[in-house]
Amino acid sequence: EVVLTQSPATLSLSPGERATLSCRASQSVENYLGWYQQKPGQAPRLLIKDASKRATGIPARFSGSGSGTDFTLTISSLEPEDFAVYYCQQRGNWPRTFGQGTKVEIK
Amino acid sequence: EVQVLESGGGLVRPGGSLRLSCTASGFTFSTEAMTWVRQAPGKGLEWVSAINYNGATSYYADSVRGRFTISRDNSKNTLYLQMNSLSPEDTAVYFCAKGGYYDFSDPWGQGTLVTVSS
Repeated sequence: EVVLTQSPATLSLSPGERATLSCRASQSVENYLGWYQQKPGQAPRLLIKDASKRATGIPARFSGSGSGTDFTLTISSLEPEDFAVYYCQQRGNWPRTFGQGTKVEIK
Repeated sequence: EVQVLESGGGLVRPGGSLRLSCTASGFTFSTEAMTWVRQAPGKGLEWVSAINYNGATSYYADSVRGRFTISRDNSKNTLYLQMNSLSPEDTAVYFCAKGGYYDFSDPWGQGTLVTVSS
């Protein structure tokens, strides 16, 4: 199965700062990589699909890039509601797999 | 509004069985793949299983293959997850979500908690 490794595990930043999250795949998933945001007690929400396409209703401060094995989620300027856990997921191979998550916390 | 709603969670003894349901609304259920994902307490997301639009094909995580069965009833707009031979490691919130074959899962339900304990 494809192993997704996210880094860092925790990112401590202040509102207004730029966040850069990484997801590395153990083998190529082409561009079939998505990003989800999860807040405590809530279901995950799809942010980015197919590496760089924002899902419906997602603000422009969220952007994704990459292909093959290396992917990045960037939040250009953190808003208070962006502090959460972010997961990457691949749909290039079965079984589908998730990364272990990156927590973005308030510094 | 597109919605999915899980039900059927609860407390079950090790070795026991449980069937989860997921009722869909706001979209044409019979044309969409569906997915189950779980999250153990304080842990990350674990993909469990997915089924195509008509139930002809399905996939499973290695951790549940042979014990869990995904199915659907398109006449009832309902997805199921039959879970057998449960162990404490299966304790988690189970989410269902629309999609997951040719797209990413979206949206997700709020989840149903399954606790496996004696």
